Amino acid sequence: KAGVTQTPRYLIKTRGQQVTLSCSPISGHRSVSWYQQTPGQGLQFLFEYFSETQRNKGNFPGRFSGRQFSNSRSEMNVSTLELGDSALYLCASSSQGITEAFFGQGTRLTVV
Amino acid sequence: AQSVTQPDIHITVSEGASLELRCNYSYGATPYLFWYVQSPGQGLQLLLKYFSGDTLVQGIKGFEAEFKRSQSSFNLRKPSVHWSDAAEYFCAVGAGAAGNKLTFGGGTRVLVKP
Repeated sequence: KAGVTQTPRYLIKTRGQQVTLSCSPISGHRSVSWYQQTPGQGLQFLFEYFSETQRNKGNFPGRFSGRQFSNSRSEMNVSTLELGDSALYLCASSSQGITEAFFGQGTRLTVV
Repeated sequence: AQSVTQPDIHITVSEGASLELRCNYSYGATPYLFWYVQSPGQGLQLLLKYFSGDTLVQGIKGFEAEFKRSQSSFNLRKPSVHWSDAAEYFCAVGAGAAGNKLTFGGGTRVLVKP
């Protein structure tokens, strides 16, 4: 069974640009969550999607958005990039119900 | 609001020695607890989880953790560490039925001396 796949693995963007990151969950998983990891703030929850609906949202500005498609694949978008958005963005997928989350390798975003 | 504290930022242990990583949580209901491990530049790998039942849970790579409700703790242990255990370890609490939202501790970086 394939794991969680995140693309791209690395990105370099300029301040003010926007970026879209992609996450393909484990087959059969309908929940996809996104996390931001930085040295200063650690691992922080961004949002969770389940069956194409945002079910939970963390405390991030509106520049951070996401969506989920009917095949459970998810994208997150960050608009008007700031230097502080440089981070490792991790996606996790879970099956229905109370269960563990499986993480992808992450996308390393560098904003210059 | 839920929170997780990992008091030790760094731990250095000799290869073959035992390891214990501390985790304290704050959560209003029955917690769903996890330990993840992260190697540099990689994603998170699940070591073990606690949902209910036996308070001593076994995980992969020889790790185990004990849930103590009275102390709000979920400490991770390994009897004998290997050089490959050098990594960063994260404790997390889940929101459970409210959705798959994890709150992580700050992590503990483990260094293994030969």
